[in-house]
This record gives sequence, C-alpha cells and structure tokens, in this order.
Amino acid sequence: AQSVSQHNHHVILSEAASLELGCNYSYGGTVNLFWYVQYPGQHLQLLLKYFSGDPLVKGIKGFEAEFIKSKFSFNLRKPSVQWSDTAEYFCAVNSGYSTLTFGKGTMLLVSP
Amino acid sequence: KAGVTQTPRYLIKTRGQQVTLSCSPISGHRSVSWYQQTPGQGLQFLFEYFSETQRNKGNFPGRFSGRQFSNSRSEMNVSTLELGDSALYLCASSLEGGKYGYTFGSGTRLTVV
Repeated sequence: AQSVSQHNHHVILSEAASLELGCNYSYGGTVNLFWYVQYPGQHLQLLLKYFSGDPLVKGIKGFEAEFIKSKFSFNLRKPSVQWSDTAEYFCAVNSGYSTLTFGKGTMLLVSP
Repeated sequence: KAGVTQTPRYLIKTRGQQVTLSCSPISGHRSVSWYQQTPGQGLQFLFEYFSETQRNKGNFPGRFSGRQFSNSRSEMNVSTLELGDSALYLCASSLEGGKYGYTFGSGTRLTVV
C-alpha cells in the first residue's frame, strides 16, 4: 500500500521568505505525484503534478516541485511567499489507475 | 467549463438516519472518487467509480456505499449515521484517473447530531 508523509504540520513564514515543504512517499514502482492547495473556505485545487519527464515541475502561482526518485521525495518550493499563499498544502500519490493517497497536509501561515 | 458540482453544500442529520450526497463531474470525465476529510484523519479515500463500475474501494464500513450513473453523475449514501461521520465529503472527477489528476468539488459538510 502507498503512504505519503509530510514532515511539517504547521509552517509559519514572513512574506518574501522562501518556502520548501517536504513530501516523501512509499512505493517502489512508477508513481504519479501531485500537490494540492486548499485556501481557507475553498476547495482543493491542483498546484502541480508529475508523472514523467523533467523531474522539476512548475505549477501555478510560482510554485515548483522536484521529484527525486532515489529519495522517494517530491518537495514543494516557492522562492518568495506572499500573504495570499496562506493555505493548507497536500501532497498526494497514485500509481497506474489506483486512487490518490494523500499526506496529512501542511498548514502554511504567511505573516505580512 | 463547469467544475465539479456537489449538492447539498451543508447537511444536518440525526444519528441513525441515512443521507445521500450527489456529485456531478466535469463533462467528459468518467472517473468519480469520494473522500472524507476530517481535522484528525485528513483526507481518506472512500471509493472510486469509473464508467459505472466501482474500480477502487477504501477501508470504510459497509454503511458507506455509492453508485455512478450512465451520465457519470455519482451519489454516495451513508446509512445509520454515527456522530463520527460528521465530516466534509469531497468528490473528485477525472478523465480516467491515474496521471490525469483529479478536480475536486467544494464538498458537502455533513453534521450528525
């Protein structure tokens, strides 16, 4: 069975600080990887996804993530966060046509 | 194009009752998945339907059931509601699942009293 681990449950940053959220998964085969964001009171939105090709994936709103197969990791990064990035971030994985398995989420609070 | 539509947005039910939630996927999407989201457990997978067939099933009791219609719309049903069923129920649709990714609806907030 697949599992996803997000290392930080809560992260607090000041505006303009750099962001890196960790995500590790456990599955030895070919995987599809996703980052979703849930802004306060809103539904889950896809930030970016990886399924093949360039391991550095760029998503919406200036976010990017790097797939490192040897480390089973798919960390999310943003060079300079804004107050509007305050949200909960979820890493998810599936393989083939299996369902998405989500991490527990990381709550990011950006102070102005 | 229209997103994933879930109805109703909010529900309050009494313990022991049953409830039916509805999900209309994005046009052309054949996969519909259901998740339960709670503060303590996060997002937990309930089941997935693809072309009217249950393709994947999570680890929930038989009180939780679902179905998908020929137009890809899906319903989930919870019978004999318990207080612990209070949660946000999310529906996600996908072209075929897998690498195509999933688009989520706004959810149905179920409160059991």
